[in-house]
Amino acid sequence: NAGVTQTPKFQVLKTGQSMTLQCAQDMNHNSMYWYRQDPGMGLRLIYYSASEGTTDKGEVPNGYNVSRLNKREFSLRLESAAPSQTSVYFCASSKIAGSTDTQYFGPGTRLTVL
Amino acid sequence: GENVEQHPSTLSVQEGDSAVIKCTYSDSASNYFPWYKQELGKRPQLIIDIRSNVGEKKDQRIAVTLNKTAKHFSLHITETQPEDSAVYFCAASPGSGNTGKLIFGQGTTLQVKP
Repeated sequence: NAGVTQTPKFQVLKTGQSMTLQCAQDMNHNSMYWYRQDPGMGLRLIYYSASEGTTDKGEVPNGYNVSRLNKREFSLRLESAAPSQTSVYFCASSKIAGSTDTQYFGPGTRLTVL
Repeated sequence: GENVEQHPSTLSVQEGDSAVIKCTYSDSASNYFPWYKQELGKRPQLIIDIRSNVGEKKDQRIAVTLNKTAKHFSLHITETQPEDSAVYFCAASPGSGNTGKLIFGQGTTLQVKP
C-alpha cells in the first residue's frame, strides 16, 4: 500500500495563476482532509470530506475549492494564487466516515507563490 | 468554534530527562485528543491519542493525561532520547457535528540534547 500520496511535491506559481493539488489514498478510507502548515501556526484545516459525495469548509477555506472525485481522490484547487497561499499543503485520510479516527497524512506539497 | 492552545512553543531537555507539553481547548464537547509527531521534512504521524471517557493513557515512554473539567491535556515523554527530537502537535476534535475533523495546536519543537 502506498498510503496517502500527493502530487506535485513542489510547485512555484506566479500571483494569479491557478493550479490543482492532487491527493489519493489506497486504504479504502472514507474521510479525507486538506491542511496547510505555516511556521508557528500548526496545521490548519482548509476543507474536508467526511464521506464520498460530501465536502465542508474548515478553518481557512477562502481562496480554495475542493473536489471529492471518488472515494480515493480529493483535490484542492487554487483559482487565483496569492503570496499568502505560500505554504506546505498536507492531505490526510481516515477510515471511519464522519467520526474521530486516526488521520494518515501524505508527504506534503511545498507551494511558493511569487 | 474550537480553539486549541499549545505550550511551550520550544522545549530543550537533556537526554534521559522528561518532557511535558500542554494543550488547552475551548469546546467542552470535544471528545478526541490525538498527538502527532513531525520530524524535519516529514509528514505528521500519530503517536498517541485519548478519548474523553479516559483520564490517562500510556504507551511505553509516552503518556497523555486529560482533565475535562479544566479543558486541558498533556503529553509526557519520559527518558527522552535524541530521536524524540521533533515538532509535536496536539489536536482536538470538536464534539458538535461528529465530522471527525481536527483542530490543531501551534506545535512544540522538542530538542533532546545528547
